[in-house]
Amino acid sequence: KQEVTQIPAALSVPEGENLVLNCSFTDSAIYNLQWFRQDPGKGLTSLLLIQSSQREQTSGRLNASLDKSSGRSTLYIAASQPGDSATYLCAVNAGNMLTFGGGTRLMVKP
Amino acid sequence: EAQVTQNPRYLITVTGKKLTVTCSQNMNHEYMSWYRQDPGLGLRQIYYSMNVEVTDKGDVPEGYKVSRKEKRNFPLILESPSPNQTSLYFCASSLGGTSSYEQYFGPGTRLTVT
Repeated sequence: KQEVTQIPAALSVPEGENLVLNCSFTDSAIYNLQWFRQDPGKGLTSLLLIQSSQREQTSGRLNASLDKSSGRSTLYIAASQPGDSATYLCAVNAGNMLTFGGGTRLMVKP
Repeated sequence: EAQVTQNPRYLITVTGKKLTVTCSQNMNHEYMSWYRQDPGLGLRQIYYSMNVEVTDKGDVPEGYKVSRKEKRNFPLILESPSPNQTSLYFCASSLGGTSSYEQYFGPGTRLTVT
């Protein structure tokens, strides 16, 4: 059964720092991996979707990479801002179901 | 505006009283699904639907029912709710199956069963 792990569980950084969030999964037979953002009490907002054939995707200050063979993905956030504070979730798809990691709770301090 | 809507957003009910949480999307998406989110357990899929009249179980389907009579709607039914179904519920949709397409999530329904 697919298991998805996110490290660290929580992270606090000063504004302006570049940071990396990690996601690992146990079964490399995936179709894609998606990164989401969740604000407290709110739904999930899709940030980036990486297909299994891709190595990375970029959107603004966000860059996500995928190494399917090693079961790893990273989300790189450049020049972090207080507005980036949220929980970041990765989810892998190995069929018609998503398996989510536990999330990384990010706090960016002004 | 393209969106997934859920109703109600908050619900407090008692054990055994049947309830329905509605989900609707206006993007003509074929695929819809339901998740629950619990502290320490993360998000887990309950049911999903590939198209009208086509539904399938996710990881935690026990105690839930779904139906997909129209493309835009995918209600979640709790026939006899129990306290262990207290959770935050999310509906999601995508253009096709999750194998290719980005998932869009609703705002969530916080359910408390006493």
